[in-house]
Amino acid sequence: GAVVSQHPSRVICKSGTSVKIECRSLDFQATTMFWYRQFPKKSLMLMATSNEGSKATYEQGVEKDKFLINHASLTLSTLTVTSAHPEDSSFYICSARDSYQPQHFGDGTRLSIL
Amino acid sequence: ILNVEQSPQSLHVQEGDSTNFTCSFPSSNFYALHWYRWETAKSPEALFVMTLNGDEKKKGRISATLNTKEGYSYLYIKGSQPEDSATYLCASISGSARQLTFGSGTQLTVLP
Repeated sequence: GAVVSQHPSRVICKSGTSVKIECRSLDFQATTMFWYRQFPKKSLMLMATSNEGSKATYEQGVEKDKFLINHASLTLSTLTVTSAHPEDSSFYICSARDSYQPQHFGDGTRLSIL
Repeated sequence: ILNVEQSPQSLHVQEGDSTNFTCSFPSSNFYALHWYRWETAKSPEALFVMTLNGDEKKKGRISATLNTKEGYSYLYIKGSQPEDSATYLCASISGSARQLTFGSGTQLTVLP
């Protein structure tokens, strides 16, 4: 069964809306969670790495004020896309791990901004 | 090689054929290489974790090899089946910060 739960799976909303995506590790404590974005015809692009209880580390080119990440507990990280615009429409996927073992991925969130 | 590169980008094979594809990665400061299988509408599933030069891992009909000195890994699928159709991603972990970088994937389609 799934070890990482991501919610919601799909969001359609108007431009200017803020959208929160949750990522939960179900049966292990995730010391590190990752947020990825998939651009059309491209692979997963790492947006940020978050460690429980500390600020997220953002990759170059990712606006931290635009994509707010909170990793408040060992089982929950959230990504908030603030004041979303059509160019933010994409597939966002989180992953979690408790060591340098392979990550467990959520099922992803398809975000569509009208 | 500065990035993680995978080839070919896409591949169509007939059921029963064996196939392989390549992941190239920076060999300096190498820590580990992961292979993932990503089916449409599902989340990526880890296949292998490889760390040592010369490593060879096997899972059913799928196997992988690793050459850390020259910076490449091969993924092999023996006797391909339609259910093997997916995108196969490799990811390299390197550097003191253990940075993980994904390749662009190889999209495999196995035709019945």
